[in-house]
Amino acid sequence: DGGITQSPKYLFRKEGQNVTLSCEQNLNHDAMYWYRQDPGQGLRLIYYSQIVNDFQKGDIAEGYSVSREKKESFPLTVTSAQKNPTAFYLCATRRELGNTEAFFGQGTRLTVV
Amino acid sequence: AQSVAQPEDQVNVAEGNPLTVKCTYSVSGNPYLFWYVQYPNRGLQFLLKYITGDNLVKGSYGFEAEFNKSQTSFHLKKPSALVSDSALYFCAVRDGSGGSYIPTFGRGTSLIVHP
Repeated sequence: DGGITQSPKYLFRKEGQNVTLSCEQNLNHDAMYWYRQDPGQGLRLIYYSQIVNDFQKGDIAEGYSVSREKKESFPLTVTSAQKNPTAFYLCATRRELGNTEAFFGQGTRLTVV
Repeated sequence: AQSVAQPEDQVNVAEGNPLTVKCTYSVSGNPYLFWYVQYPNRGLQFLLKYITGDNLVKGSYGFEAEFNKSQTSFHLKKPSALVSDSALYFCAVRDGSGGSYIPTFGRGTSLIVHP
């Protein structure tokens, strides 16, 4: 929402495939985050980046990879090592300075077929 | 370490009645607290936050939340619920004392407002 674009909205993956989820922002925010949402489990942090060319693992990074080559972009790759990738994936950004809230994209729903 | 608990998976309320969605937190430093709302198959939308100052915080769509330091709570409230308020609500906390810049989210509470 409001300057964060996630694509595609729906994505289907076959077993053993890698897929990449896109997250682009025009808010000029430094920090970007990837969350995974499963029913009844809330949001779990996968990876985050506070500056270009740097990122950190979150609570459930196994089976995922990211890059942050540009301030505007923070793509997430779901690899074949992620055994249960079916979920709703949310990208968020936050302006690092100040006591600011996070802004979220509209999400990508990934389904393994 | 920081954590958030939303003790109710679901809250049911009749339209026009007041609503409360509960949130308790744990942080080692100063709590920065947030409420977000999520409609089906959408991202989260920011409702309100507490950083410092007045314990009663007013936010979007008529929602407000009360910060209670002694009870470590930040309950979301609205005086008169609307059917359109039905959604999933998330509480989040961040340690504002120079700790983690990463917010921790609760598991969410589904609010159902009956006509």
